[in-house]
Amino acid sequence: GQNIDQPTEMTATEGAIVQINCTYQTSGFNGLFWYQQHAGEAPTFLSYNVLDGLEEKGRFSSFLSRSKGYSYLLLKELQMKDSASYLCAVRATDSWGKLQFGAGTQVVVTP
Amino acid sequence: DAGVIQSPRHEVTEMGQEVTLRCKPISGHDYLFWYRQTMMRGLELLIYFNNNVPIDDSGMPEDRFSAKMPNASFSTLKIQPSEPRDSAVYFCASSLYEGGRDTQYFGPGTRLTVL
Repeated sequence: GQNIDQPTEMTATEGAIVQINCTYQTSGFNGLFWYQQHAGEAPTFLSYNVLDGLEEKGRFSSFLSRSKGYSYLLLKELQMKDSASYLCAVRATDSWGKLQFGAGTQVVVTP
Repeated sequence: DAGVIQSPRHEVTEMGQEVTLRCKPISGHDYLFWYRQTMMRGLELLIYFNNNVPIDDSGMPEDRFSAKMPNASFSTLKIQPSEPRDSAVYFCASSLYEGGRDTQYFGPGTRLTVL
């Protein structure tokens, strides 16, 4: 089975940086995804990591350490529109195509 | 591309009634997923298909739930009979395995309320 942990909620100020951590335990590992979900909307893809290291995409970056079962999503220059839930999802080697989602981290951006 | 299309967007029904949710995946995608999302349980995978064939239905709650994919452009999720605890947002997603990776794209969801 898989176990994915991420904080329930984080609050940050507009223009600041927030780091959302995700730890996972899987029977095998074949990729980690981050999704953003605004209230009442569908999840949308943000990033994908399968090798160790940092992937940067504009204001968003995602880091992976497979040996530690750890990832983080870094949101820089926070904007009000970044207020949303951020979901960490892991794919195990024995279940290609299937993602196990964490409960999500609600990020609240304040003025 | 129009993205993943789901219908209806909202469904209100009474306990015991049959409910059918529909999904049209992104053209050319070879995987299709049905998820359910609730506050208590988060986003749960119910079933997924590869090239129209069901691969893993271990997330389907019970025999009241069934899913079909008769062709590459259409899938249904049926609940019969429905119960109040089935109230949730049901998402359909599709993906294409290409270059060693795939990304799931979600439809807008169907908000189901069973009274």
